[in-house]
Amino acid sequence: EPEVTQTPSHQVTQMGQEVILRCVPISNHLYFYWYRQILGQKVEFLVSFYNNEISEKSEIFDDQFSVERPDGSNFTLKIRSTKLEDSAMYFCASSELHPTYEQYFGPGTRLTVT
Amino acid sequence: AQTVTQSQPEMSVQEAETVTLSCTYDTSESNYYLFWYKQPPSRQMILVIRQEAYKQQNATENRFSVNFQKAAKSFSLKISDSQLGDTAMYFCAFTGTASKLTFGTGTRLQVTL
Repeated sequence: EPEVTQTPSHQVTQMGQEVILRCVPISNHLYFYWYRQILGQKVEFLVSFYNNEISEKSEIFDDQFSVERPDGSNFTLKIRSTKLEDSAMYFCASSELHPTYEQYFGPGTRLTVT
Repeated sequence: AQTVTQSQPEMSVQEAETVTLSCTYDTSESNYYLFWYKQPPSRQMILVIRQEAYKQQNATENRFSVNFQKAAKSFSLKISDSQLGDTAMYFCAFTGTASKLTFGTGTRLQVTL
């Protein structure tokens, strides 16, 4: 069964460093998303991406964040200068058709900023 | 803006029993979709069940079913014949015309022997 994959599973970085989180969505899916979950809290939407552009973003997704689909398979989230409060689980998700269809989540990348 | 509320932070059920998790939401949209996601200790988000607001019939997936009350904006999840593997956080989520999922704060379910 096709699945969304994410690498790395755990990333430790120092405050101020840039990180790139990588995702490979399900191959025939058209919509891609990033969510984050701070430990013990609910899952929060960051950004959605369709047709090679951002379709929606949240207040959390400020200028420190960017997304890219550099080739036909990868979908990346870059944080330019990490802060302690960026420590969280980051989930990538994809959906085949309109976003109201099921969004399938990857296993997540745990980002720890020290 | 849409909101999703889960008023039960924790619940416990004995194996083989039935448990119902509550969720209410608020929206001005008429066409939307509701979901329950399961998050086991591995923290993977797993889709459990999906309900289209325009459908009157409640969705069912094996031991999982929902009670969708559109007028009351209520969307509860019933787990029948609970199993130890059902132990997890359960999140209710909403999506409408926007492309994002809005999640509730979750209910931690513990299934005991």
